[in-house]
Amino acid sequence: TQLLEQSPQFLSIQEGENLTVYCNSSSVFSSLQWYRQEPGEGPVLLVTVVTGGEVKKLKRLTFQFGDARKDSSLHITAAQPGDTGLYLCAPRRGSYIPTFGRGTSLIVHP
Amino acid sequence: DAGVIQSPRHEVTEMGQEVTLRCKPISGHNSLFWYRQTMMRGLELLIYFNNNVPIDDSGMPEDRFSAKMPNASFSTLKIQPSEPRDSAVYFCATDGGQGAEKLFFGSGTQLSVL
Repeated sequence: TQLLEQSPQFLSIQEGENLTVYCNSSSVFSSLQWYRQEPGEGPVLLVTVVTGGEVKKLKRLTFQFGDARKDSSLHITAAQPGDTGLYLCAPRRGSYIPTFGRGTSLIVHP
Repeated sequence: DAGVIQSPRHEVTEMGQEVTLRCKPISGHNSLFWYRQTMMRGLELLIYFNNNVPIDDSGMPEDRFSAKMPNASFSTLKIQPSEPRDSAVYFCATDGGQGAEKLFFGSGTQLSVL
C-alpha cells in the first residue's frame, strides 16, 4: 500500500534553475529522511528532519518538515547536472521500519 | 570500509530457474534489509533481520521467495522458481541500529527473468 505521495514524479530542467519537490501524506510521522539515488547505485541518505517546521540546509539543498509533520519539501537552488537522480523520502512512524515513496526523478541538463 | 557488497551486479536467467542474490553487510551493523525496486511500485521492503534473526517478512511476495542470514556477515535472497514478474533491482541495506537510523545501501542486483 502506497502511503506517500511524492511530486512531481518526473522533472527535467536546465542547469541553474531552481526547483522544489514534495513528499505528502495524511499520516503524522515522527521523523522523515530524504535520500538521493544516482543511476546504477543504491540510495544515499541526505538528511533527517525530526521537528515540525524544521529547516535544514545542505549546500544548495533546503529541506523542510511540515509543521504538522505530515509532509516535507526539498528545494534545490541553482541546480547542477550533479544533482541528477531519484529523490526519495522515507518517513518513519514509531518503530524503525524504513519505507519509501516512489520518488521524484530529476534530470538537470547542462 | 567497503560498504554493503552485493553480488552479482547483474543476473539474467530463464523463467523457472533458481536465483540467489547475495549480500555482505557492513561489519558491526546489526540490522539488514532486503528491498526490491521497480518503476511501478518503487522501493519495497521485502524482509529485514536484526542480529541475524528475521523480524518482519510480510513484504515477501510469495513462497517462491526466501531469505536467510546464517551469520552476521552474510545474507541471501533466493527466488525459486523465478518468474518474469520478478524482474527488478534488488537492494540490500544495513543499519548500525541502536538509534543510528541511517541506511547504507549496496549497489543492487539487476535481475532479469526471461
